[in-house]
Amino acid sequence: AQSVAQPEDQVNVAEGNPLTVKCTYSVSGNPYLFWYVQYPNRGLQFLLKYITGDNLVKGSYGFEAEFNKSQTSFHLKKPSALVSDSALYFCAVREFHNTNAGKSTFGDGTTLTVKP
Amino acid sequence: DTEVTQTPKHLVMGMTNKKSLKCEQHMGHRAMYWYKQKAKKPPELMFVYSYEKLSINESVPSRFSPECPNSSLLNLHLHALQPEDSALYLCASSQEISNQPQHFGDGTRLSIL
Repeated sequence: AQSVAQPEDQVNVAEGNPLTVKCTYSVSGNPYLFWYVQYPNRGLQFLLKYITGDNLVKGSYGFEAEFNKSQTSFHLKKPSALVSDSALYFCAVREFHNTNAGKSTFGDGTTLTVKP
Repeated sequence: DTEVTQTPKHLVMGMTNKKSLKCEQHMGHRAMYWYKQKAKKPPELMFVYSYEKLSINESVPSRFSPECPNSSLLNLHLHALQPEDSALYLCASSQEISNQPQHFGDGTRLSIL
């Protein structure tokens, strides 16, 4: 079974400050990890993914995430937050095996608010 | 602009109506998905199609009936829905169903009277 936890419902940061949105996961095999962002009245937009390779993954809009296997974490980061980054963020994990191929498990989401 | 197009954007229907939601992508993706999302909650997977064949049905009630007429189109036929079915219905696609990210449409907001 696979699961994802986003321990913070809400993250508030000031514009220009660094931001971190936390995600931990549980899978029995190798994880495929994703971050998505959802703005009001829109669908989810893909930000970045970890499949294999470098633990630091760079994505869209200046976001990056660090894969930490020992801590089973995949935290989303950005060095300098913008007001326009305010949105709902979802972490997702997918474990590829035949019976559940295609099934991603999403975290409950974290609402990021960036204040001017 | 999203690359996955969903129509209609909004739909209000009574519990005895029959309606369909449509989803279209032209990215050559071979996997397509239907999700249901309640406000401020994560999307809940309903169906997965891979190469136009139903791959996953997450024990969805039969009042929801998916159809994949070709590799670019995905429909969700609705009949005799309940008020608790009111939600945002999201369609997504990906190149394959393995380790590829999903591209989401902006959804159809469905209200059941």
